[in-house]
Amino acid sequence: QVQLVQSGAEVKKPGASVKVSCKASGYTFSGSPMHWVRQAPGQGLEWMGWINGDNAGYSPKFQGRVSITRDTFATTVYMDLSSLRSEDTAVYYCVKSGGEYWGQGTLVTVSS
Amino acid sequence: QSVLTQPPSASGTPGQRVTISCSGSSSNIGSNPVDWYQQLPGTAPRLLIYSHNQRPSGVPDRFSASKSGTSASLAISGLQSEDEADYYCAAWDDSLNGLWVFGGGTKLTVL
Repeated sequence: QVQLVQSGAEVKKPGASVKVSCKASGYTFSGSPMHWVRQAPGQGLEWMGWINGDNAGYSPKFQGRVSITRDTFATTVYMDLSSLRSEDTAVYYCVKSGGEYWGQGTLVTVSS
Repeated sequence: QSVLTQPPSASGTPGQRVTISCSGSSSNIGSNPVDWYQQLPGTAPRLLIYSHNQRPSGVPDRFSASKSGTSASLAISGLQSEDEADYYCAAWDDSLNGLWVFGGGTKLTVL
């Protein structure tokens, strides 16, 4: 069965970077794009970007601060977010293209 | 604010039929399929409807969706207490290099 397992919670200081991983299994990894979506406390869902093959696309809101990469051999996708600020405190989800499969979410807390 | 517009709240009594609207534009709902998600507290969103009105395995047929022009709606018939959750619409947007856009979410209360 399809599984997306994300890395654990992170606490970061403002200005730092965070890298969240998403380990995929149960399907042909190379054939399916992956999205990253975040949700701030009490707020809605916000798309950050995606990776499709070796090409990544980003929301204009995060362009320049986010980088999405993947390791095909490790069947893992990574989301790097830099210049963190308190407003980046959120749960970050990886989502297999199609929307049916979501990771369990990774809480990133940005606090001084 | 979100690209897609949803009412912040909706409510109904058990057994009732409720609908949740989602308004967008020609670059998203007007030209692409709409998906609907259900999110229970503390959990990841669950796909309810995709490609306008298709349900993944395990989603009851009490959930249905429709689309007209640049608006879409989710209908829940035979409302049950376990339907109390947040609901989000989503669609691909063809502007710029393409982006996935969401509604702000609708909190459904079962009275």
